[in-house]
Amino acid sequence: QAVVTQEPSLTVSPGGTVTLTCGSSTGAVTSGHWPYWFQQKPGQVPRTLIYDTSNKHSWTPARFSGSLLGAKAALTLSGAQPEDEGEYYCLLSYSGARVFGGGTKLTVL
Amino acid sequence: EVQLVQSGAEVKKPGESLKISCKTSGYTFTTYWIGWVRQMPGKGLEWMGGIYPSDSDTKYSPSFQGQVTISVDKSISTAYLQWSSLQASDTAMYYCASRAGGVQWGQGTLVTVSS
Repeated sequence: QAVVTQEPSLTVSPGGTVTLTCGSSTGAVTSGHWPYWFQQKPGQVPRTLIYDTSNKHSWTPARFSGSLLGAKAALTLSGAQPEDEGEYYCLLSYSGARVFGGGTKLTVL
Repeated sequence: EVQLVQSGAEVKKPGESLKISCKTSGYTFTTYWIGWVRQMPGKGLEWMGGIYPSDSDTKYSPSFQGQVTISVDKSISTAYLQWSSLQASDTAMYYCASRAGGVQWGQGTLVTVSS
């Protein structure tokens, strides 16, 4: 099974910009992996921020954006807010099989 | 509005069987995959497997193959996750998620397995 890698932790200053990445052990991440990004805060249900690389839900704040960056999927947060603290997970699809990354703990400090 | 409503919390003993459910509404059930996700206490999200309700094509992650069964009942737009013999290590929160409307999540079902 493929291994999906994320930064274990990142810190961003309020108002700052940070990019979280999602890599694959099988090679470059492409749109064919249908990258998803989820946010989870303690005690809460995961919330979908981005699907299919760059599509946003109606509730996704405009400061979040998804893309492909080099060989990885990326989630960029521009103008971080204190409420953006939490755990972020990416999910990649491999011909119908899916694998989560280990998650990135984002601190806004 | 797409909704996924999961069955309630369960407390079971090791060796018991269990089937939890995820009832969907607000979209055509057979159009989008549904997956099950495990989250053990204090840990990350793990993809267990997914199913396409149209033909019940199911793909399990290797860690969960043979350990659980994913199924659907198209007549009531509901997906299921079942165990034939629970272990203490199955204690976790379990979420269903559907590709409908982006990706929508159920509220989670807490399963506690303890003697």
